[in-house]
Amino acid sequence: RKEVEQDPGPFNVPEGATVAFNCTYSNSASQSFFWYRQDCRKEPKLLMSVYSSGNEDGRFTAQLNRASQYISLLIRDSKLSDSATYLCVVNTGNQFYFGTGTSLTVIP
Amino acid sequence: DGGITQSPKYLFRKEGQNVTLSCEQNLNHDAMYWYRQDPGQGLRLIYYSQIVNDFQKGDIAEGYSVSREKKESFPLTVTSAQKNPTAFYLCASSRRQGGQPQHFGDGTRLSIL
Repeated sequence: RKEVEQDPGPFNVPEGATVAFNCTYSNSASQSFFWYRQDCRKEPKLLMSVYSSGNEDGRFTAQLNRASQYISLLIRDSKLSDSATYLCVVNTGNQFYFGTGTSLTVIP
Repeated sequence: DGGITQSPKYLFRKEGQNVTLSCEQNLNHDAMYWYRQDPGQGLRLIYYSQIVNDFQKGDIAEGYSVSREKKESFPLTVTSAQKNPTAFYLCASSRRQGGQPQHFGDGTRLSIL
């Protein structure tokens, strides 16, 4: 079983739409959770950490559900510049485990 | 500005040749990591190091070697034993304390000639 599972998409949404991505993880001992954004042929960049109480950064909201072992990312009022692949990352012990990423394209 | 520098940006390998990818960080991070990313795939861990002079194999270490002689540097050698080296190689670093994210270099694209 994979450590982290993500729906690969693709998600194609119109500008202004709200879109949500989910990610599940297999190890209940996992300690820290993150969402990264990766543009085509570029390195992943940290979008936001995910805290147990949920956290928001502008149009982006991240949630963690430890009981069900999933994390989510909500993007409101999508912009063309939000088009990218979004990676769910889980830190367990000394290692970071990456989902395969969810592709988002925002359409004019 | 603090960051992670990978070089070269593009690298070509001939049959039977070993090549070394450089990764340097000035973030004062203890932990460093090497990942490989194939087209349309997720990141796979090659090697990681939590402290100078110590490193551990990741999921796909065969055909690769590393060293960690200095805190700032974690070079990766792709040996001739790695039969399918064409990929995007990413170096990352992080603090060892829990809850800290990884920061990535901008990657090296390796291709076979």
